[in-house]
Amino acid sequence: AQTVTQSQPEMSVQEAETVTLSCTYDTSENNYYLFWYKQPPSRQMILVIRQEAYKQQNATENRFSVNFQKAAKSFSLKISDSQLGDTAMYFCAFGYTGANSKLTFGKGITLSVRP
Amino acid sequence: SAVISQKPSRDICQRGTSLTIQCQVDSQVTMMFWYRQQPGQSLTLIATANQGSEATYESGFVIDKFPISRPNLTFSTLTVSNMSPEDSSIYLCSVRRAGTEAFFGQGTRLTVV
Repeated sequence: AQTVTQSQPEMSVQEAETVTLSCTYDTSENNYYLFWYKQPPSRQMILVIRQEAYKQQNATENRFSVNFQKAAKSFSLKISDSQLGDTAMYFCAFGYTGANSKLTFGKGITLSVRP
Repeated sequence: SAVISQKPSRDICQRGTSLTIQCQVDSQVTMMFWYRQQPGQSLTLIATANQGSEATYESGFVIDKFPISRPNLTFSTLTVSNMSPEDSSIYLCSVRRAGTEAFFGQGTRLTVV
């Protein structure tokens, strides 16, 4: 079964600085997706970025980018120019391809952006 | 994308009672997923609901405690039965489209007193 590990329970970063959140996973399959979700106090789960395992190029969405190392099963999220609105809990998640497949989540990391 | 309407958004319930959470999706989906998020914790899958068949429960979750209905391809309910304070959590429904990301309802914050 797949597992997702986020070993940092919390991090803090100064506004406008860059922060990297770590995630590792384990699977024996080749076709899957990796995701980072943000959960602010409103508790709504918001997709930050996704990465298809078959793509070598790292995904980028504005200030958010990932470092996807498939062989090492590592998937870190870099947030550039951190903003106060980035303060939230961040979850790394794994899912096989297929609409009927569940997502498996890491424990999450609480990110605080300091003014 | 998918728009998911989940209600109630929050409730405070007496122990021993039951609460039914509703989840409506804006278009048809095969599977709907129900997650529990205990305070300060990650999301744990309770069960997967497929229209026309009994839900599939994850280890540690049973149908008597968390009965699920899936009457059609756009709607599902999760009932939390015979509640105790340990059931105080956020409950979220979710769907996936075309095998990509999951979309979530707004969540139901349940407090059992």
